[in-house]
Amino acid sequence: KQEVTQIPAALSVPEGENLVLNCSFTDSAIYNLQWFRQDPGKGLTSLLLIQSSQREQTSGRLNASLDKSSGRSTLYIAASQPGDSATYLCAPLGSARQLTFGSGTQLTVLP
Amino acid sequence: NAGVTQTPKFRVLKTGQSMTLLCAQDMNHEYMYWYRQDPGMGLRLIHYSVGEGTTAKGEVPDGYNVSRLKKQNFLLGLESAAPSQTSVYFCASVSRGDRGSEQYFGPGTRLTVT
Repeated sequence: KQEVTQIPAALSVPEGENLVLNCSFTDSAIYNLQWFRQDPGKGLTSLLLIQSSQREQTSGRLNASLDKSSGRSTLYIAASQPGDSATYLCAPLGSARQLTFGSGTQLTVLP
Repeated sequence: NAGVTQTPKFRVLKTGQSMTLLCAQDMNHEYMYWYRQDPGMGLRLIHYSVGEGTTAKGEVPDGYNVSRLKKQNFLLGLESAAPSQTSVYFCASVSRGDRGSEQYFGPGTRLTVT
C-alpha cells in the first residue's frame, strides 16, 4: 500500500524567500506525481504533473523534481509571495490510476 | 466544456438520513473517483470506476455505495449517514488512454452530518 509523507507539516517564511517542500512515497511503481495547491475551504488546483520518466518539471516560479527510485519529490518555490500561502499536496499515481495523497504542507508567506 | 462538476455544493444531513452525491464530467474520461478529505488531512479514496458499469473499493469504502450507469456520471450514495461521514467530498476523472494523464478534480461537496 502506497504511503505518502510530506515534510514539513507547516512552514512560515518571510516574503521573498526561496523554499523547498518535501514529499516521500513508499512504492516507486508510479506513473506520475502531481503537486496540488489548496486554499482554505477550496478545491484542488493542479500545479505540476511530473511523469515517471522525467526528473524535473517547471512552471513559472515553481519547480518540481522527482527521484522515483528513492521515492522522493520536491517542490521548489522561488521568491515566495504572500499569495503563495496555501496548503500544498503531493500525490503519486499508482495502479488503477489511483492517486495517494500526503497530508500536505501548510505554507504561510509573511509580508 | 465544464470539466468535472459536483452536485450539491453543500448539504446538512441528520444521522440516519440518506443522500446521493452526483459527479459529472464532459471529457469522455473512462476513470472516475470519489475521495473524502477530513480537516488537516489529504484526500482518501472511497470508491472508483474504470468504466461504465464497473466500480471498485478504495481505501475507505465502508458506509458508501457507488454506481456508474452512464460513462459521464459517477454517483456516491450514503444509505444511513453518520457523523463520521462529515467531510468534504471530491470527485475526479482521468482518461484511460494515457497512463501519465493528469486527474481533473471537481470543486467539492461539503457535507455535515449532525
